[in-house]
Amino acid sequence: EPEVTQTPSHQVTQMGQEVILRCVPISNHLYFYWYRQILGQKVEFLVSFYNNEISEKSEIFDDQFSVERPDGSNFTLKIRSTKLEDSAMYFCASTEGGATTANVLTFGAGSRLTVL
Amino acid sequence: AQSVTQPDIHITVSEGASLELRCNYSYGATPYLFWYVQSPGQGLQLLLKYFSGDTLVQGIKGFEAEFKRSQSSFNLRKPSVHWSDAAEYFCAVNTGGFKTIFGAGTRLFVKA
Repeated sequence: EPEVTQTPSHQVTQMGQEVILRCVPISNHLYFYWYRQILGQKVEFLVSFYNNEISEKSEIFDDQFSVERPDGSNFTLKIRSTKLEDSAMYFCASTEGGATTANVLTFGAGSRLTVL
Repeated sequence: AQSVTQPDIHITVSEGASLELRCNYSYGATPYLFWYVQSPGQGLQLLLKYFSGDTLVQGIKGFEAEFKRSQSSFNLRKPSVHWSDAAEYFCAVNTGGFKTIFGAGTRLFVKA
């Protein structure tokens, strides 16, 4: 079964450093997302991406964050100047598109970010 | 703004017993409704979804959920729980846009 692949599975970084989290969505999916889950808390929407541009973003997704689809397969989340509170599990997700499938998210296993 | 409430932070059920996890949403119309499951260290897996039509929907692993418009609820049920069902369960809603909103989750413990 096709899956969403995320790397790295775990990254430890120093406060102030830049981090890039990578995702390979399912190949025929059109919409891409990043969510995050701070330990013990709910899963929160960060950003959605379609047709090479951001389609929606949350208030969490400020200028510190950026997303990119550098080629036909990868989808990245860059966090500039990381802060302690950025420590979380970051999930990439993708959806097919279309009226009945556009909202059915397929998640990756997540990238755990620890900021020291 | 839409919201999702899962009133039970955790639930403990004996293996073989029935299960019901509660979910209520706040939205003016009927949203798209989902239940996802997250096993420790794993991503979220879709259990089932409701878009329209029959208000009782069947999902994977023997789960079902019933949409009740009058109660703004979408409760998840399973007639007989297995030890492997121990996980965290998230109810989620989407109102037709790009953002899916998740509840806080209910952690299910299964005792022998």
